[in-house]
Amino acid sequence: ETGVTQSPTHLIKTRGQQVTLRCSSQSGHNTVSWYQQALGQGPQFIFQYYREEENGRGNFPPRFSGLQFPNYSSELNVNALELDDSALYLCASSPDRLNEKLFFGSGTQLSVL
Amino acid sequence: DAKTTQPPSMDCAEGRAANLPCNHSTISGNEYVYWYRQIHSQGPQYIIHGLKNNETNEMASLIITEDRKSSTLILPHATLRDTAVYYCIVRVPNSGGSNYKLTFGKGTLLTVNP
Repeated sequence: ETGVTQSPTHLIKTRGQQVTLRCSSQSGHNTVSWYQQALGQGPQFIFQYYREEENGRGNFPPRFSGLQFPNYSSELNVNALELDDSALYLCASSPDRLNEKLFFGSGTQLSVL
Repeated sequence: DAKTTQPPSMDCAEGRAANLPCNHSTISGNEYVYWYRQIHSQGPQYIIHGLKNNETNEMASLIITEDRKSSTLILPHATLRDTAVYYCIVRVPNSGGSNYKLTFGKGTLLTVNP
């Protein structure tokens, strides 16, 4: 059984660019959540996908968007990157949308210059 | 959202019990208390959760006060590998969706010393 994997591990972009981050959920999990973790802070909830539909969203602007695919893998897209978007982006999967237990990947470290 | 308050840092000697406190005085009756930890350069890891009763698993014990306004996570025999940031979280329903979200604070940095 493989755990949650994210790619790439590190990424450098410039302000105004667009970025796509990828996540493969743990086997048997149909729910994926994305979190943003700024340096020295706890993770902040971006949104969640359940069976390919967005199923809850945190306080993030529309330029943060996502997709979930039939195999339950997921993408996080961020348009018009800003310097404050520099952070660790974490993906977490769970076996159902109740999120009784989340399994996190190691994250993608995004730097916006 | 129910907020939690944790000390920013704690130290513990290797082999001793680590007791990590958390205050959640505004918790509602049906909201669970969760604990996760985050080791440097890794994603958070689930430890334990509970509602009213004390809980124990292979990693830790969770003691919740009778009024549910505070809880303590206990690592019975801390090792150097337990050095991490520990997050106490109250799980709340996510508005607009039939699910729950975890709202992380800054957590407690537990340093286990040799």
